[in-house]
Amino acid sequence: GAGVSQTPSNKVTEKGKYVELRCDPISGHTALYWYRQSLGQGPEFLIYFQGTGAADDSGLPNDRFFAVRPEGSVSTLKIQRTERGDSAVYLCASRGPQTNTGELFFGEGSRLTVL
Amino acid sequence: AQSVTQLDSQVPVFEEAPVELRCNYSSSVSVYLFWYVQYPNQGLQLLLKYLSGSTLVKGINGFEAEFNKSQTSFHLRKPSVHISDTAEYFCAQNSGGSNYKLTFGKGTLLTVNP
Repeated sequence: GAGVSQTPSNKVTEKGKYVELRCDPISGHTALYWYRQSLGQGPEFLIYFQGTGAADDSGLPNDRFFAVRPEGSVSTLKIQRTERGDSAVYLCASRGPQTNTGELFFGEGSRLTVL
Repeated sequence: AQSVTQLDSQVPVFEEAPVELRCNYSSSVSVYLFWYVQYPNQGLQLLLKYLSGSTLVKGINGFEAEFNKSQTSFHLRKPSVHISDTAEYFCAQNSGGSNYKLTFGKGTLLTVNP
């Protein structure tokens, strides 16, 4: 696709449930990032993939959060035993091979609401 | 740890007035700075970036920013705003590492009133 695609755009779930959020990056972009944006805050880094591997997962808040990118393209962010504090917009971004710019291209986000 | 500070959480202005959105970054050996805009219910869109060279950077939609190393600032300016500029604006700094991880400020909500 032309841009970064994220699904679902909105997800409402109950506390304790399992959630998966999907990101389809720009074709040819090898770097992929997940960010979380809470209400009134800027995006906060969660995890970075280079190809299939998680090169930096230092932003994942705890072991309930996990992300995969098995074929180096689409990525899935997985949240187990969701809590109300997980409610936020989850943003995905990708970066092209022109590594000297650092520009990230963002999707429109997946808004997660945990009741 | 890096931090990006946006000094104003909200900036209301009238249409056709000039505006400045302030941003201070963490001093580092290598500094790459960005301004992103987020319109309601949309993703982040790059306005402009500073990588090196001229300290005055021009972006889309008539915005510009000036890199000031001595003051560790990267303020965003526009000489005359439009209603359509109403949005959230985020300043971001690249960590300087090979992962190009961005650290964002908390954002400034620019509201342009008629």
